[in-house]
Amino acid sequence: DIVMTQSPDSLAVSLGERATINCKSSQSILYSSSNRNYLAWYQQKPGQPPKLLIYWASIRESGVPDRFSGSGSGTDFTLTISSLQAEDVAVYYCHQSYSTPDTFGQGTKLEIK
Amino acid sequence: EVQLVESGGGLIQPGGSLRLSCAASGFTVSSNYMSWVRQAPGKGLEWVSVIYSGGSTYYADSVKGRFTISRDNSKNTLYLQMNSLRAEDTAVYYCARGHSSGWYEDWGQGTLVTVSS
Repeated sequence: DIVMTQSPDSLAVSLGERATINCKSSQSILYSSSNRNYLAWYQQKPGQPPKLLIYWASIRESGVPDRFSGSGSGTDFTLTISSLQAEDVAVYYCHQSYSTPDTFGQGTKLEIK
Repeated sequence: EVQLVESGGGLIQPGGSLRLSCAASGFTVSSNYMSWVRQAPGKGLEWVSVIYSGGSTYYADSVKGRFTISRDNSKNTLYLQMNSLRAEDTAVYYCARGHSSGWYEDWGQGTLVTVSS
């Protein structure tokens, strides 16, 4: 199974500042035939299901604010929130769908400093 | 509008059985790949099982041989039959609609399963 490891486990950022969350996969999740990374990011607020933010490592889901961006390829990926808003407080998960079983990172809890 | 509504959770004794349902609207379950993902209290997300549009099914090692995923096309509903339940199966169970490239586009609100004596 592919292991997804996020860092840090928790993060406190001031309003308006940048937040960066990292995700590393135990093997490459880049499909060479399509040049696509099978990596998604989700946001989960308390008592709610996860919400898709980013897919193919860098494509923003429709309706997601443009302060959210994803980058990376192969085994190393990053989710960046360019200017933290109060409503961004949540737990963020990376997810690989390159191979079955698909697997999630352990989550990163983002709070306001 | 896509909607997924889970039901069937509850308190069950170890060794017992439950069947979870996920009623879908706004799309056809049999034309999509559908998964169950669970989340133990205060923990992260764990994939449980998937059924592809062609009918192939896969399971996490932790539930293989105990859980069965299925769908009823006439009811546009996904199911998860859970047998021989253990305390470690306690979690909120979400059904999720997968895009063909694997990410989960839509999630239900979840149903809580508590395995305890």
